[in-house]
Amino acid sequence: HLEESGPGLVQPSKTLSLQCTVSGGSVEASFWTWIRQAPGRAPEWIGYFSNKAITNFIPSLVGRVTITVDTSKNQFSLSLRSVTAADTATYFCARQKDDHMYSPLEIWGQGIFVTVAP
Amino acid sequence: EMTQSPSILSASVGDTVTITCRASESLSEGLAWYQRRPGEAPRLLIYKASVLQKGVPSRFNGSGSGTDYALTIKNLQPDDFAFYFCHQYWHFSFTFGGGTNVEAK
Repeated sequence: HLEESGPGLVQPSKTLSLQCTVSGGSVEASFWTWIRQAPGRAPEWIGYFSNKAITNFIPSLVGRVTITVDTSKNQFSLSLRSVTAADTATYFCARQKDDHMYSPLEIWGQGIFVTVAP
Repeated sequence: EMTQSPSILSASVGDTVTITCRASESLSEGLAWYQRRPGEAPRLLIYKASVLQKGVPSRFNGSGSGTDYALTIKNLQPDDFAFYFCHQYWHFSFTFGGGTNVEAK
């Protein structure tokens, strides 16, 4: 089971920070992924943190995005800097089915809607 | 890029419906289908184009190869009225289809 948490409203130019709490398994295993879906648009894959602590991100977000893991809380987090209205979306966390890059997403959170506005 | 159609599909309980996704290049069957009901987490239905995820009813069927893939739902049930989307995980960076809303006619 995965559950996203964090603020539902972020001001433009600030940092969006979300957490995903993992229950029923260890965050030290598997690949952990973030996806977002802006209103009326297709979902967009953001990036992952692997079980070997390797990260990989969609090129359009490189330089603005970080994914980290906190083993003490069994959580992983998304940080997106310098946000604009275009970052308004429902953000999902997910666990990949396989322990490699090319894998479907087996478990998802319900998603959290984040609005970027003054 | 993934082109999914239709965006809206109106159907009745008992119907058979088909949703398609077309990729801009061959995916070598690196394609998954998901279902999302309102207020719920997305659920993996099919992966590797045609492999049924554990626990998913056999009325869901995935097919296709190369650039063209389909999700067929036979004998549509009330729980099946939901949002469906495809996902290619063969080419980085991975992409999703725009989704199909299967609604009651």
